[in-house]
Amino acid sequence: GNSVTQMEGPVTLSEEAFLTINCTYTATGYPSLFWYVQYPGEGLQLLLKATKADDKGSNKGFEATYRKETTSFHLEKGSVQVSDSAVYFCALSVASGTYKYIFGTGTRLKVLA
Amino acid sequence: DGGITQSPKYLFRKEGQNVTLSCEQNLNHDAMYWYRQDPGQGLRLIYYSQIVNDFQKGDIAEGYSVSREKKESFPLTVTSAQKNPTAFYLCASTTSGGDNEQFFGPGTRLTVL
Repeated sequence: GNSVTQMEGPVTLSEEAFLTINCTYTATGYPSLFWYVQYPGEGLQLLLKATKADDKGSNKGFEATYRKETTSFHLEKGSVQVSDSAVYFCALSVASGTYKYIFGTGTRLKVLA
Repeated sequence: DGGITQSPKYLFRKEGQNVTLSCEQNLNHDAMYWYRQDPGQGLRLIYYSQIVNDFQKGDIAEGYSVSREKKESFPLTVTSAQKNPTAFYLCASTTSGGDNEQFFGPGTRLTVL
C-alpha cells in the first residue's frame, strides 16, 4: 500500500545548525510530495511541494528534492532559527479512484538559541 | 481573505453526548476532508467529500458522521458511539487533482469529560 515514513523526533538543534529531516515513501504510480509545518495549537501549513521526479521544492530557506530512485523527499535547511521550531509532516497524494493524501507521523524540531 | 474556518477552537462534552464541529471554506474548493490528530500518530482520515451531496469514509469513520449540503461547508458530528473522541480535529480542502496541496483550518480540540 501507499505509505510515508519519517525520521522519529524530536530533533534538537542549536540556532544556525544544518537541518535534515528524512522522508521516504511507498506509492503506486507517480505521487506528488509535500512538506507541511504545524506550529503549536494550529493547523498545518504547506511548506513546499514537488510533483514529479527531480523537482526541487523550496520555501523560506527549506528545500526538498523528489528522488524517485531512492523514493525519498528529505527536508533540508542550511541554517535553522528558533522560529523554525515546529512539527514537520511529509505527505504524498495518489490517484486511487479519488485523490487521497497520506501523511507521515511528523517530526518535532526544537531549535535552541 | 480566503481560507478555512473551524469552530469552536476548544470544545468540551460529556460522555454520551453528540457534538458537531464546524468547517467552512471560501476557497471554492471541491474536496473537503476531516482528520483526527493524536500525539505521535500523525493525521488519520475520518471522512472526505469530493463534491456536494457525496462523501466517503476514511480510515477511522466509526463513531463519526458528516454531511455536505453546500460546497462551502462540511460539518463533522462526533457521536456517542466514538469510544475515544478526545483529540485534535483538522478540516482541510483542496481543488481537484492530486498535484494540489491541501489547505487546513486551525483545528478544534475536543475534550470529553
